[in-house]
Amino acid sequence: GAGVSQSPSNKVTEKGKDVELRCDPISGHTALYWYRQRLGQGLEFLIYFQGNSAPDKSGLPSDRFSAERTGESVSTLTIQRTQQEDSAVYLCASSFRDRGRSEAFFGQGTRLTVV
Amino acid sequence: AQSVTQLDSQVPVFEEAPVELRCNYSSSVSVYLFWYVQYPNQGLQLLLKYLSGSTLVKGINGFEAEFNKSQTSFHLRKPSVHISDTAEYFCAVSAPSGGSYIPTFGRGTSLIVHP
Repeated sequence: GAGVSQSPSNKVTEKGKDVELRCDPISGHTALYWYRQRLGQGLEFLIYFQGNSAPDKSGLPSDRFSAERTGESVSTLTIQRTQQEDSAVYLCASSFRDRGRSEAFFGQGTRLTVV
Repeated sequence: AQSVTQLDSQVPVFEEAPVELRCNYSSSVSVYLFWYVQYPNQGLQLLLKYLSGSTLVKGINGFEAEFNKSQTSFHLRKPSVHISDTAEYFCAVSAPSGGSYIPTFGRGTSLIVHP
């Protein structure tokens, strides 16, 4: 596709359930980022993938959060035993590996609501 | 580690008036600086970026920003705003950290243009 694609666009889940969010980056982009955007707040970094290197997981808020990426393609963010504080928009972005000089291209996000 | 401060959470302005959205950053190393815009119900997109060279950079839709190293600022300006500029604006900094370049975002500034 032409841009970063995220699915689902909206997800309502019950507290305690697991959810899986998907991101399809732009073809050729080796870097992939997940961010969380809570209502009225900025973007909170979660995890970063760069090619086949070990991911930078320093932003994951708890061990309930995990993410995988298959090579330089699709990524999934999994939240186990969801809590109400997990409600947010989850944004995925991708970019060329250009040592920070390249812009990040963002998807539309997945709005997660935990009830 | 780097950080970004956007001093104003909301900036109301009348149409055709000038506007400045403030951004300050902290980093112990050289940085790359970005401004992104998020229109209602859309994903983030790049407005402009500073990598090196001229400290005044021009972006899309008539926006420009000036990099000031001594004041560690990267304020965004537009001489005359339109209703269509109503959106959320995010300042971001990218700097090396353990071999990675992970963009750090500010909390965002909501620009509200009144007729």
